[in-house]
Amino acid sequence: AQTVTQSQPEMSVQEAETVTLSCTYDTSESDYYLFWYKQPPSRQMILVIRQEAYKQQNATENRFSVNFQKAAKSFSLKISDSQLGDAAMYFCAYRSLQGAQKLVFGQGTRLTINP
Amino acid sequence: DAGITQSPRHKVTETGTPVTLRCHQTENHRYMYWYRQDPGHGLRLIHYSYGVKDTDKGEVSDGYSVSRSKTEDFLLTLESATSSQTSVYFCAISEEPVLTDTQYFGPGTRLTVL
Repeated sequence: AQTVTQSQPEMSVQEAETVTLSCTYDTSESDYYLFWYKQPPSRQMILVIRQEAYKQQNATENRFSVNFQKAAKSFSLKISDSQLGDAAMYFCAYRSLQGAQKLVFGQGTRLTINP
Repeated sequence: DAGITQSPRHKVTETGTPVTLRCHQTENHRYMYWYRQDPGHGLRLIHYSYGVKDTDKGEVSDGYSVSRSKTEDFLLTLESATSSQTSVYFCAISEEPVLTDTQYFGPGTRLTVL
């Protein structure tokens, strides 16, 4: 079974600075998807960024980018020019291409933005 | 935003009572999922459905049952609620997994079992 680990329960960053959230995962599969979801205080789960394992190029969405290291099974999220609205819980998730392709989540990292 | 609603949004109940949570979608997506969210665990899959009347268990299915009689509705039932089932419950939907890699989430239901 796949597992996802986020080793940083909490992180903080100054507004306008850059922060990196860590995620590692364990799988025996070669093809899969990885995601970062954001959960603000409203509890809504919002997709931030996705990465296909077969793509070597790191995904980027505006101020959000990932560092995908397939061999190391590492998938970190970098947030540039942090804004107050980035404050939230961030979850890393793995999705297999097999079966029902359910999501396996990490424990989450709470990100605080200091003004 | 994907058209997903959950009802109720909040519920407080007593131990031993039955509880049903409803997920309703307007996207006509085939796949629907129920997750629970607890501190320190992220979201964990309870049950999922891959079509009308087609359901299967996730990793934390004990104490829960589901039903899907229509494409748009996926019900989660706690036959006899326990305090360990106090949690936030999320529904998610997805098109055919071979067509898309993304699940969309509902707003969540906070359930408290006293």
